[in-house]
Amino acid sequence: EVQLVESGGGLVQPGGSLRLSCAASGFTFSSYWMSWVRQAPGKGLEWVANINQDGSEKNYVDSVKGRFTISRDNAKNSLYLQMNSLRAEDTAVYYCTRGGGTFDIWGQGTMVTVSS
Amino acid sequence: DIQMTQSPSSLSASVGDRVTITCRASQGIRNDLGWYQHKPGKAPKRLIYAASSLQSGVPSRFSGSGSGTEFTLTISSLQPEDFATYYCLQHNSYPRTFGQGTTVEIK
Repeated sequence: EVQLVESGGGLVQPGGSLRLSCAASGFTFSSYWMSWVRQAPGKGLEWVANINQDGSEKNYVDSVKGRFTISRDNAKNSLYLQMNSLRAEDTAVYYCTRGGGTFDIWGQGTMVTVSS
Repeated sequence: DIQMTQSPSSLSASVGDRVTITCRASQGIRNDLGWYQHKPGKAPKRLIYAASSLQSGVPSRFSGSGSGTEFTLTISSLQPEDFATYYCLQHNSYPRTFGQGTTVEIK
């Protein structure tokens, strides 16, 4: 079964850091672009970042540039999102998705809450 | 950035109704657009890709059309499981941008 499972969310203080992980299974992970999409409480979906198959190309939405870093480990079939200098407005459910701009497989999401 | 303007933001409809949702791009995006369904507490689900191609496993009552700047998602006969929020998403350029969503509610 094709599956994406996120982990690593939680409560963090403003200015803090968190690392999200996404474990992929059921498909050849190294053959696909991967992305992170988030949804803040009561808001719509927002694309955050993507990464190409070998990790040599990465793209970010402006609001997270310089603070978030997307990465992957193809040997471990895993995608990551390192989030630094977190702000209240980063509070959201973060989804791992397969694809660079059109997303056919989604994880269930992991909640990140930035609050003091 | 390409702005995606979705309308309406919400609608009330009955089972069996035909429902149409529109997405307008601030500049031409060819057919680089998908439609997604999202229910509370669930993972979003892709319904349509490349503006008009039906995702495998998605019921044929869903259809997409358009190219350039104007796009439409149509549900030909609304079913109880279709009550959800729908989003368009452009992937013609960065940043990828979603429409603001259309919530389909029970009348």
